[in-house]
Parts: sequence; C-alpha cells; structure tokens
Amino acid sequence: GQQLNQSPQSMFIQEGEDVSMNCTSSSIFNTWLWYKQDPGEGPVLLIALYKAGELTSNGRLTAQFGITRKDSFLNISASIPSDVGIYFCAGSYNAGGTSYGKLTFGQGTILTVHP
Amino acid sequence: GAVVSQHPSRVICKSGTSVKIECRSLDFQATTMFWYRQFPKQSLMLMATSNEGSKATYEQGVEKDKFLINHASLTLSTLTVTSAHPEDSSFYICSARVPSGTGEGRAFFGQGTRLTVV
Repeated sequence: GQQLNQSPQSMFIQEGEDVSMNCTSSSIFNTWLWYKQDPGEGPVLLIALYKAGELTSNGRLTAQFGITRKDSFLNISASIPSDVGIYFCAGSYNAGGTSYGKLTFGQGTILTVHP
Repeated sequence: GAVVSQHPSRVICKSGTSVKIECRSLDFQATTMFWYRQFPKQSLMLMATSNEGSKATYEQGVEKDKFLINHASLTLSTLTVTSAHPEDSSFYICSARVPSGTGEGRAFFGQGTRLTVV
C-alpha cells in the first residue's frame, strides 16, 4: 500500500524561528492535506492542496504540492508558542467509489517552541 | 470550515461492555465517513470506511464484529466497540470529507473520543 514518510519526527525551536517539514510518498497523490493536532483533540485542517506545483498560504503557513505529486512541504514562519503541537501530512489518490476521501497519514512532526 | 462533531469526548467503561461513539457532520452531507484509531504519540490508523446505506469497509486486521459501524443517515455514523477489553483503550477519531461536487473535497475531523476500558 501507499506509504508516507514525514520528517523530521520532532523539532525544538526558539520562538520567532521558521520551521519546515516535509512528506514524501512511494506513489502519487492527487490531494495533499496538512493538519495540526493538539493533545486530546482531533486534527484540524491547515492547508489543502489539489494541483501539482500548487503553493498555498494560510497566514504564517505555506505549503506546496510537489511537481512529482509524491511530495509536499509545510513551512511555518516566525513561530510562536501556540504553534506547538503535532503536524501531520495526509495524501489521497481518489479513484472514485468507496475509496473517495481515504487518506494516508504521515507519522507526524512534533513541534516544540521555546519562548 | 465544515464541522464534524464527535460524541462523547471521553468514556470509561468496564471490560466486557459495549460503547457507542457518534460522529455527525453538522453542515454538510457525508456519504462517506472514516474511523481512525490513534495510540499515544503515533499517527492515525484508518480502521474502516463508513458508507451511508451500505456495509462499512474495514481495513486489514480490524475485526468487523468487534468494531460495529452503522451509517444510517448522511450526517451520522456510529462506531460501537463491542465487548470492550483494556487493549481497546485508545483515542478514536472520525472524519468526513466534503463532497467533491462542491469543489472542496477536504476532510474534517471530529474532536476524538478517549476510550478507557477498566
């Protein structure tokens, strides 16, 4: 089956620093999604990407859908303490039917921001 | 964004009893919902795909008789953990994807349910 490798597994940074994390897949996706999860909560959608090469921003967050359709990255600029959490990438290849919406998740990146 | 509501957020039950978890899409119709299980500090593991009006599709290794899924309407899917045992203790999360016809196709998650079996 499809596999997603997300890196780094964890990051410890100072407030104000920029952050970058990425995901690579063994096969192509036609949708990439980036989520943030706080402890004890469900993942919250940050950015959705639908086209190869697409670059999308959401405030201090920027994500790109790789040209090969097998990778994506997420950048966070000028990090703040509330950016702490676990970030997940997720991809899907929708062939239609009951497979629609089925996501494959990366292992997650644990982000710690020191004030 | 779209809202998915999951209930209860926490539940403690005795070993051998059954627990039902509800997942509702509040502002859109979801023909398909997904149920995930998450262990501490790990990623989400897809358990099953819930299809409105038909049988759920389970991932390999997930016992369908233990994790009963019912998707009786376009806004509600339920997961029932039957004859729960301590090893079933986990964080269960549902998601629903906005229909592609709207041009969205984004997946939104419920708040999760922390199940503790004692």
